[in-house]
Amino acid sequence: AQKITQTQPGMFVQEKEAVTLDCTYDTSDQSYGLFWYKQPSSGEMIFLIYQGSYDEQNATEGRYSLNFQKARKSANLVISASQLGDSAMYFCAMSNQAGTALIFGKGTTLSVSS
Amino acid sequence: EAGVAQSPRYKIIEKRQSVAFWCNPISGHATLYWYQQILGQGPKLLIQFQNNGVVDDSQLPKDRFSAERLKGVDSTLKIQPAKLEDSAVYLCASRPGLAGRVNTGELFFGEGSRLTVL
Repeated sequence: AQKITQTQPGMFVQEKEAVTLDCTYDTSDQSYGLFWYKQPSSGEMIFLIYQGSYDEQNATEGRYSLNFQKARKSANLVISASQLGDSAMYFCAMSNQAGTALIFGKGTTLSVSS
Repeated sequence: EAGVAQSPRYKIIEKRQSVAFWCNPISGHATLYWYQQILGQGPKLLIQFQNNGVVDDSQLPKDRFSAERLKGVDSTLKIQPAKLEDSAVYLCASRPGLAGRVNTGELFFGEGSRLTVL
């Protein structure tokens, strides 16, 4: 069965610094998708970035990049030049076995200070 | 474009009472999800609809939870009777298109309904 593991309950970073949020996953599928979502205190889940299992290049979206290491089954999120507005919960997720829904990890709280 | 709408945003009830949450997905989105997010945990899928049919309800505690999506648009999630461990945020999400693989993260979430059971 699919499983997502996020081992960092909380991370602290200063403005303008880069930060890496860790995510490892477990699946026996060959085809799957990996996602990162941001959840600010308002509660809404905001999609950040996606990586397909067959994509050879790491995904990038603005200040977000996904460090995909397939052999290690890791999909770490890198946020460059952190901003105060980046303070939030971050969830790593992957597509379920049917490929029709997402399975989420427990999340990492990111705190950005000035 | 209007996002996923949920109501109520907050609800406090006593155990053994009943509660209902409503979700209006983005117009035209065929797939609708209800997730349960307990404090400190990631969202857990409760039920998935494709139009007005259930695709997956394997993690829905059917002795107390029920959900419907009549006419394939709005959806209601009901809990009866509520238990203390049902305290959580209930997130509704939707995505466009018909059945198929989730590929580019098109799940759009509402702001959630926070339930406190006393």
